[in-house]
Formats: sequence, structure tokens, C-alpha cells
Amino acid sequence: DVKVTQSSRYLVKRTGEKVFLECVQDMDHENMFWYRQDPGLGLRLIYFSYDVKMKEKGDIPEGYSVSREKKERFSLILESASTSQTSMYLCASGLGTEPQHFGDGTRLSIL
Amino acid sequence: EDQVTQSPEALRLQEGESSSLNCSYTVSGLRGLFWYRQDPGKGPEFLFTLYSAGEEKEKERLKATLTKKESFLHITAPKPEDSATYLCAVQARGFQKLVFGTGTRLLVSP
Repeated sequence: DVKVTQSSRYLVKRTGEKVFLECVQDMDHENMFWYRQDPGLGLRLIYFSYDVKMKEKGDIPEGYSVSREKKERFSLILESASTSQTSMYLCASGLGTEPQHFGDGTRLSIL
Repeated sequence: EDQVTQSPEALRLQEGESSSLNCSYTVSGLRGLFWYRQDPGKGPEFLFTLYSAGEEKEKERLKATLTKKESFLHITAPKPEDSATYLCAVQARGFQKLVFGTGTRLLVSP
């Protein structure tokens, strides 16, 4: 079974802090994705990566950056956290056109 | 712009009461339509992929169907453990990303 592991289930940070969310997958998938999920808005794509050191902006990249130094690890960085970035963050991985597999999410609160 | 609309937003059923969830979509060339189940506090769990109109997939009490404009998730004789949010997503040809609907929250009462 595919396992996508997100480093934290819950995280509380302060405005202006630099925040790192980590995601690791164990299936050698080429594609990795970061989404945020908000009530009434569904899942929205922030960034994705189709290879090591390669990244593409999704629909809502503003205020975020990403890093993929190794194939199995994809990090989401909030450069200067704001209260509008309080949300559930979901990482996913996939291979080609195969279904994406999700981690259990990080619920991030910015105070 | 690719778009997915799910209805109803919420659905309450009695155990054994069959029903259907709807996913309407517009996409510039469909590569695949995906159904996921999401339990509270968890990430989405993959259920089905449908690729072309007329295709059907089944798993236990769930059956997914696809037309050129919409997909249905039919739930036959549901049980309380089927309670979850069901998400629909589309992937356009030539793109890796998924576009999600906002989901249908299903509650099945004993």
C-alpha cells in the first residue's frame, strides 16, 4: 500500500513565522502535490512537483514556496505566515495518470 | 476553466435507503474522473477512476458511472460506516493536477 506521511497532524504558529510542512512518500512516485482544504472551497492546489528539483505553481501559490531535494520528500514553506493561511494542508503523491494518494493532513493554525 | 460541482452538499439516509450523489463537470478534454472518500480528520481515500462515458466501476455497496457531463456515485443499501464526505475530481488531458468539487457529506443513520 502507498504510504504518504505528513510530519505533523496539528501545528500552531504565529503570524510572520516561517513555517515548514514536510511530506514523505514510500512508493517512488514521480509526482507530488500540496493542497489546502477549506470549508466550502474544497481542495485547491498550491504547488506540485513532477521530478526532483522541479516544481510548478498550482492555483493558489501566493505566500508559499516548495522544495524537493529528494524524490520521496516534498516540503511546503510558508515564507511569512498569515492568519489567512490557517487551513488543513494535504500532501499527495502519484505516478503518471494513476490516482493520487493522500496523507492524513496537517491542520495548521496561525495566531 | 475546468470546473466540478457536486450535489447535494449534504445527504442524510436511513440504513438500507439507497441513493445517488451527483458530480457535474466541465473540462477541456477529460483524462479521468476520480472519486474519493474522506473521513473526518483524515486525507481522501481513493475509490474509483473512470475514463470514458459509459464506464462503470463497483466496490461493495458503491457504484460509479460516467457520462459526458456528469458522474454518479450510487450507494445501495448503505450502512452507518458509509458515512463520510465523498469527493469528485477531474483531470484534464495533458495535465497532472486534479480539480476537486466541494464534496457531499453523507450521514447514514442506523
